[in-house]
Amino acid sequence: AQSVTQLDSQVPVFEEAPVELRCNYSSSVSVYLFWYVQYPNQGLQLLLKYLSGSTLVKGINGFEAEFNKSQTSFHLRKPSVHISDTAEYFCAVGGGATNKLIFGTGTLLAVQP
Amino acid sequence: DTAVSQTPKYLVTQMGNDKSIKCEQNLGHDTMYWYKQDSKKFLKIMFSYNNKELIINETVPNRFSPKSPDKAHLNLHINSLELGDSAVYFCASSHETGVNSPLHFGNGTRLTVT
Repeated sequence: AQSVTQLDSQVPVFEEAPVELRCNYSSSVSVYLFWYVQYPNQGLQLLLKYLSGSTLVKGINGFEAEFNKSQTSFHLRKPSVHISDTAEYFCAVGGGATNKLIFGTGTLLAVQP
Repeated sequence: DTAVSQTPKYLVTQMGNDKSIKCEQNLGHDTMYWYKQDSKKFLKIMFSYNNKELIINETVPNRFSPKSPDKAHLNLHINSLELGDSAVYFCASSHETGVNSPLHFGNGTRLTVT
């Protein structure tokens, strides 16, 4: 069965600092990987996705993620964060025999001035 | 123009009542979903419909009954509400059924059962 692990429940960071949000998955087959962002009192929005091809994926708002098959990771990065990036970030995996998207438990990115 | 809209935004009700949440998408997508997000932010799929046909039905109590009158609408009816039903319920849609098709979420309905 597929699973997703987001080890950090909360990541505090100062404005304009770089950030990495970690995501590891387990799957025995090829997967599709996603990062979604949830701002307070809103639904989730797609940040970026990896379906195939280049392992470095660029998304909206200056975020990018790198698919690393050997380490089964899909970490999200941004070189310089803004206060407005404060939100909950969810990693998700799908593919193989399942037709369901499995979400991680989320990481709260808290950007401080 | 809201892509996926759900109503109401907030729903406060007592145990034992029956309530409905409505969802509509104007994206022309074929597939719609209901997700439940608990107090710890854990997000889990409940149901999915493709062009009015049920395709995913997770281990959800049969007090929850989805209804899709057409492919642009997916409503959720809940009978005999319990305290544990308190959560945020998200409607979502996608262009296709496959998991490689990104999801578009509504803003959620916060259900509080007292």
